[in-house]
Amino acid sequence: QVQLVQSGAEVKEPGSSVKVSCKVSGDTFNNYKITWVRQAPGQGFEWMGGIIPAVGAIHYAQKFQGRVTITTDESTFTIYLEVSSLRSEDTAVYYCAREDTLMPAPYYFDYWGQGTLVTVSS
Amino acid sequence: EIVMTQSPATLSVSPGERVTLSCRASQSVSSNLAWYQQKPGQAPRLLIYDASTRATGIPARFSGSGSGTEFTLTISSLQSEDFAVYYCQQYNDWPFFGGGTKVEIK
Repeated sequence: QVQLVQSGAEVKEPGSSVKVSCKVSGDTFNNYKITWVRQAPGQGFEWMGGIIPAVGAIHYAQKFQGRVTITTDESTFTIYLEVSSLRSEDTAVYYCAREDTLMPAPYYFDYWGQGTLVTVSS
Repeated sequence: EIVMTQSPATLSVSPGERVTLSCRASQSVSSNLAWYQQKPGQAPRLLIYDASTRATGIPARFSGSGSGTEFTLTISSLQSEDFAVYYCQQYNDWPFFGGGTKVEIK
């Protein structure tokens, strides 16, 4: 059974940073691409970036370049998304999702984590 | 940036009815299109990929069609568990999603 398990909800002040984790199985870590997508309250989805852990290739959406960092911990099969300089507009549910590919080109998302609510408020 | 437009925004339907949802791309995405279902408080679930291929475990009442810029998701006979929001997503370029169609009980 494919599972992507994310860390719990966070409340952050404007200007701070948040780091969300996504723990997967070894098979998923080594054979698929993992993507981060967010959904603001009552809104649609916004692709943020993705990583191919097996080769370390990372792509960021232009909108988030310089403010978002995706990293991995190979020892625990965990992928991290860090967002800095948080503002109220970053309040959203952040999802990790698996792409059924090892290629850099975009693909569809066949399995999703449960989501992590990040609230940015003073 | 490829803009994905879904219509209608909301669809009021009775159980058992046939439902057709539309998704239009601002430029051709070939057949690189997926459909997702999202229920309140849940993560999305992949229904269709490559425009017309059902994902693993998806019932046969869900079908997808189209290519280029015009796509359709059809639910042949709506079941109670199908009331949800449906999103299309293109992956011909960096991924962009449509705004969603909410299927609600009439």
